[in-house]
Formats: sequence, C-alpha cells, structure tokens
Amino acid sequence: SAVISQKPSRDICQRGTSLTIQCQVDSQVTMMFWYRQQPGQSLTLIATANQGSEATYESGFVIDKFPISRPNLTFSTLTVSNMSPEDSSIYLCSVEGGRGTGDITMNTEAFFGQGTRLTVV
Amino acid sequence: QKEVEQNSGPLSVPEGAIASLNCTYSDRGSQSFFWYRQYSGKSPELIMSIYSNGDKEDGRFTAQLNKASQYVSLLIRDSQPSDSATYLCAVPYPRNTGFQKLVFGTGTRLLVSP
Repeated sequence: SAVISQKPSRDICQRGTSLTIQCQVDSQVTMMFWYRQQPGQSLTLIATANQGSEATYESGFVIDKFPISRPNLTFSTLTVSNMSPEDSSIYLCSVEGGRGTGDITMNTEAFFGQGTRLTVV
Repeated sequence: QKEVEQNSGPLSVPEGAIASLNCTYSDRGSQSFFWYRQYSGKSPELIMSIYSNGDKEDGRFTAQLNKASQYVSLLIRDSQPSDSATYLCAVPYPRNTGFQKLVFGTGTRLLVSP
C-alpha cells in the first residue's frame, strides 16, 4: 500500500479565508482523490486530480471553491476557498492501489492520508 | 434508493461475541466491495475486500457477498473493545468519465463492551 502524507493535520481558519491542503505520496500514481467527511457523515468524493490535466469534479463541487493542483505524479493540493463554517470538515486525500495500471479498475482499493481537520470560525 | 446503504447503529455487542455488519448496494453491475474501519478522529483503513459471491475470511474478519441480493456483510468474530469503530462499506460506481469512483455508505458504529 502507498504511504500518503497529508498536511496540515488540522487548522482553525477565519471565514472568508482560504486553506491549501497538501498531499504527498511515496510512489507515482496516476490519479489522486480528494474526499470530504462532514461531521457525523460518510465520505463524499470532491474531485479526482489527474496529472497533466484539469481535475474532474463531482456533482455539487466546483473548481472556484475547491481548486486543485497536480504538478506531478506524487503530489497534489486542494484549496478550500472563501471558507464558511459549513466548510468545517475532515478533508482526505486518497490514492488507488494494487493493480499497477494507474487506472481506476473495478478492483482497486483506496488508501487514505491521515486527513485534515478543518474548523472555520 | 441510496447507492450504498448501511444501518448507522450503534451496534452494541459484548466482548467475545460475533458482530454482524450489513450493507446493501443499488448497482447490480458492481463487481468489488470494500470494508473500511474508521476510528474516531482517524482516516479510514481498509480491512477487507471481496469480489466473488460467498465468504472470504481473514483472521477474525469474514466478508460475505451475495450479488443476487445485492448484499455484502462483515462478520467480526471474538469481538474486542479495540474493534469499536465505525465500519464503512464502499462500492465502485461508474462515472460518465469512464472511470469509477468509490461510493461510501454512511457507516455503522460498532461498540464492543468489555
């Protein structure tokens, strides 16, 4: 399994500001994924970060609010922009592992970073 | 119908008992299924994956899959207080990009009492 380092682990931010979360993987991966876990809720996929192309966003998430960078095959950032208290969540970086092709196959498993606990006040 | 459904619990079992966690999914074409364990304040950790109908055992954990009934379960034998966590069921779903995404259930909170 991949080793995923995510930082910051937690932050308390003022509303209206932005926070950039970094995710570093110890091996090259084609796709990296960003999830949000709101308090008491399950994980919701925000977007898929592809190296060399625009990120693919899920319904309900837009690039202006959650811009993503993917400069190389081991690193990605997620920015939470113009934050409001509703953005208080855990944000998780994830990669797929095990199948070697780098594509999302039916049988790939997801591995997660330790998460960033964001509180917006 | 939600794509992946789980009873939120909490499911309370005494130490040493068998804990049974259940998950149903809506897409008949789903081929793979994953169980994640998430301790409070921590990120999810993969504990089991299953791809074929029937049972798959790994230590105290057994995953059971019934594709005809669109049902996957996780049994934890000899439950320990350290098993107390939220268990998330995850199923890949296709997107219009041609790739798949993992859809997670809401999770079942398990409490194992000493």
